[in-house]
Amino acid sequence: GAGVSQSPSNKVTEKGKDVELRCDPISGHTALYWYRQSLGQGLEFLIYFQGNSAPDKSGLPSDRFSAERTGGSVSTLTIQRTQQEDSAVYLCASSIFAGSYNEQFFGPGTRLTVL
Amino acid sequence: TQLLEQSPQFLSIQEGENLTVYCNSSSVFSSLQWYRQEPGEGPVLLVTVVTGGEVKKLKRLTFQFGDARKDSSLHITAAQPGDTGLYLCAAARGSARQLTFGSGTQLTVLP
Repeated sequence: GAGVSQSPSNKVTEKGKDVELRCDPISGHTALYWYRQSLGQGLEFLIYFQGNSAPDKSGLPSDRFSAERTGGSVSTLTIQRTQQEDSAVYLCASSIFAGSYNEQFFGPGTRLTVL
Repeated sequence: TQLLEQSPQFLSIQEGENLTVYCNSSSVFSSLQWYRQEPGEGPVLLVTVVTGGEVKKLKRLTFQFGDARKDSSLHITAAQPGDTGLYLCAAARGSARQLTFGSGTQLTVLP
């Protein structure tokens, strides 16, 4: 299919290790978002990219979190020195362009467990 | 404090019953969206409302945006087991390009 894909689907890591989560957006979508979701809860905005503009990093919870988007397509979310409170499902979404009326298409998420 | 408050947090009903889910805030929004999320999947957009007082219908689902654009409701008629899922409202303020999500309502429809 041509939907948003994320990898890995599940990641178990030890406290203190670094992890990288990958998102492949829908082809042609210029906006890409990362969210974090705790069990059965709403989504917490982390960061978004719009074309070649500087990303909006206002939702990143600490400097251990960073993200990049290469070539306006694939994005990687990196969490350094993971903590147990980082355990959550990390969701990626893309849309044709960033805007409140635009439908965001979500990937299935990466479930991160920090032991 | 949650910018968007959803109620109830959990709802379990029998097939065929009607239900209403609420999304409330003290802030005014330029638009509001409702999503449904099933286990192991990302949220899927159901509807976007942008005008105060707007009502949209999607088969058995009726969505309403409050006149003051501070609240919204989702009403499901004759619920079916396939309606089971986490319902999320999400809103944007002004020209903001990011959405703020509510904490969700977990709906279970029993056969």
